[in-house]
Amino acid sequence: KAGVTQTPRYLIKTRGQQVTLSCSPISGHRSVSWYQQTPGQGLQFLFEYFSETQRNKGNFPGRFSGRQFSNSRSEMNVSTLELGDSALYLCASSGGLHLGGEQYFGPGTRLTVT
Amino acid sequence: ELKVEQNPLFLSMQEGKNYTIYCNYSTTSDRLYWYRQDPGKSLESLFVLLSNGAVKQEGRLMASLDTKARLSTLHITAAVHDLSATYFCAEIPNNAGNMLTFGGGTRLMVKP
Repeated sequence: KAGVTQTPRYLIKTRGQQVTLSCSPISGHRSVSWYQQTPGQGLQFLFEYFSETQRNKGNFPGRFSGRQFSNSRSEMNVSTLELGDSALYLCASSGGLHLGGEQYFGPGTRLTVT
Repeated sequence: ELKVEQNPLFLSMQEGKNYTIYCNYSTTSDRLYWYRQDPGKSLESLFVLLSNGAVKQEGRLMASLDTKARLSTLHITAAVHDLSATYFCAEIPNNAGNMLTFGGGTRLMVKP
């Protein structure tokens, strides 16, 4: 069974630009969550999508947005990039409690904003 | 405010020794997760604890959950160098979908 995939793996952008990150969950999983990891703030929840609907949202500005497609693939977008957006962005795929409640993480996208 | 606190934040230990990492959380929850992260890598799932009193073991690691005390522990038995990594606990509050709230992590260094 293929794991969670994220593209691209590395990205360098300049301030003011926008970026789109992609996440493909494990086949059959309908929930995709996004997290930001930085040395200063640790791991922080961005949002969760389930069956194309945003189910939960973390405490991030509106520059951070996401969506989920009918095949459960998800994208997150960050507009007007700031230096502080440099981070490892992780997505997690879940099949639900009936499948044991596991949350599987992808390899991450490392974003550097210069 | 959701809060997950781990201690210690840093742990240096000799091979062969035992130690416990503690994870306290602030909300009503019966889903507790433990992850391992190696430098520059993603999160590897170690344990999912879904009920009060749950205990799971894998190799030298054993995790337990006490929902009444809002406490989970990760016990390391006879540590080996390969266990060196950062360990995170995370909880999902009731009725919060799959929204994980993470602790700050425990950086474990096992000296040969």
